[in-house]
Amino acid sequence: AQTVTQSQPEMSVQEAETVTLSCTYDTSESNYYLFWYKQPPSRQMILVIRQEAYKQQNATENRFSVNFQKAAKSFSLKISDSQLGDTAMYFCAFMKHSGGGADGLTFGKGTHLIIQP
Amino acid sequence: DVKVTQSSRYLVKRTGEKVFLECVQDMDHENMFWYRQDPGLGLRLIYFSYDVKMKEKGDIPEGYSVSREKKERFSLILESASTNQTSMYLCASSFVPTYIYNEQFFGPGTRLTVL
Repeated sequence: AQTVTQSQPEMSVQEAETVTLSCTYDTSESNYYLFWYKQPPSRQMILVIRQEAYKQQNATENRFSVNFQKAAKSFSLKISDSQLGDTAMYFCAFMKHSGGGADGLTFGKGTHLIIQP
Repeated sequence: DVKVTQSSRYLVKRTGEKVFLECVQDMDHENMFWYRQDPGLGLRLIYFSYDVKMKEKGDIPEGYSVSREKKERFSLILESASTNQTSMYLCASSFVPTYIYNEQFFGPGTRLTVL
């Protein structure tokens, strides 16, 4: 079984600052995917960024980037130039590669990020 | 745009009632999922389905069952609702995961209160 740990229940930063959310995971799988999902106060969960474990290069999506350290089983999310709209719950999630079938996501407990004006 | 819809945003039921939560997706996804979200616990997988009439237990299936009679629809059933099933329920769907297509798309959630 997999576990995902987010050690920061809540973080608060000023608008335009850079913030890093931490995530560690434990698995015996060699082939898997990692995700960061965002859940704004409206509650619709949306994907922020994803990383395939076989890729060495860290994923980047505009102001969002990850620091993927496979050996350390660490997957942190960096948000640059933070904006008020980034205020949300952020969940780190793990999914093993099931080779053509289906598998659910294993989520961390979430980090509540508050961007202050 | 992918759309995953859930039949109710808010639902209030009494202990012992049979409860149906419905989820519909419009992207012809093979896979559908039900998660439960509780403060401080994150999201936990209840059941998932990879094809019509197929289902697999997730991490917390006790007290729940599911039904998938059509590809686009996945129902979560609480046979006899209990107060400890008060929670936010999120449905999700996806294609069969590949190295390119592996994202799950979520519905808006149903806030269920069992009195």
